[in-house]
Amino acid sequence: ILNVEQSPQSLHVQEGDSTNFTCSFPSSNFYALHWYRWETAKSPEALFVMTLNGDEKKKGRISATLNTKEGYSYLYIKGSQPEDSATYLCAHNNNNDMRFGAGTRLTVKP
Amino acid sequence: EAGVTQFPSHSVIEKGQTVTLRCDPISGHDNLYWYRRVMGKEIKFLLHFVKESKQDESGMPNNRFLAERTGGTYSTLKVQPAELEDSGVYFCASSQGWTGWDEAFFGQGTRLTVV
Repeated sequence: ILNVEQSPQSLHVQEGDSTNFTCSFPSSNFYALHWYRWETAKSPEALFVMTLNGDEKKKGRISATLNTKEGYSYLYIKGSQPEDSATYLCAHNNNNDMRFGAGTRLTVKP
Repeated sequence: EAGVTQFPSHSVIEKGQTVTLRCDPISGHDNLYWYRRVMGKEIKFLLHFVKESKQDESGMPNNRFLAERTGGTYSTLKVQPAELEDSGVYFCASSQGWTGWDEAFFGQGTRLTVV
C-alpha cells in the first residue's frame, strides 16, 4: 500500500444499525493514524489519534482499532444515529506530513 | 483560544487572475498544512510548513501555486494565474509539535471558484 485507502466509499445504514469501515495505509515509517469526522460545509473534526499497534480508542458510540504491522485501522459506530451522517476521513502521518484517504461517506436513515 | 482561521471564506475570480488565500494557525503551532478538495473528491495534500520552512511541498500541483509562511506565523497560498481546474475548497490545518501524533486542527476552508 503506497497511499491511504478507505473502504467502502459510501455506506447507507438504518438508524440503530452498527457499522464499520476500513482505512489502509503504508506500514513503513508509521507515526500516527488520525480519524476525522467531516460534515458538509464544516471543517474536519478530529476523532482519534492512534500511535501504537493494537491501540483501541473509544468516544461514545464510536471506536477505532489500529494494526500498524499490516497497515489498517477500523472505525466502528455502534447503534448509528442520523446525526452520525458525515464523511469519515483517515489520515496517515509518517512524521513528515499527513496524507488523507478519500473518506467513507456514511448516511444513516431514520 | 482562537482556532485556525482562513480568509476569505469564498472567492470567485476569472481565469487568469491572481488570488491569495490566507491561513492563520493556532498560536504556537509550528506545523501548518495546506490541502485542497476539488469537485467533491478526496482531500489532497499540498504542502507542509514547519515554522517558516517548507518541510514537504510535493503535493503542489505546479508552479502557478506559491505558498509562503514568513516569520513562521500565518501562511499565504497564491495562485497565479488561476485556471478553471483550480476551483475547489482549500483547507489549512495546524498542529503543535513535530511528532505525527499531534492532533491537527482545521480551518473552515476557502471555497475558490474560477470562472
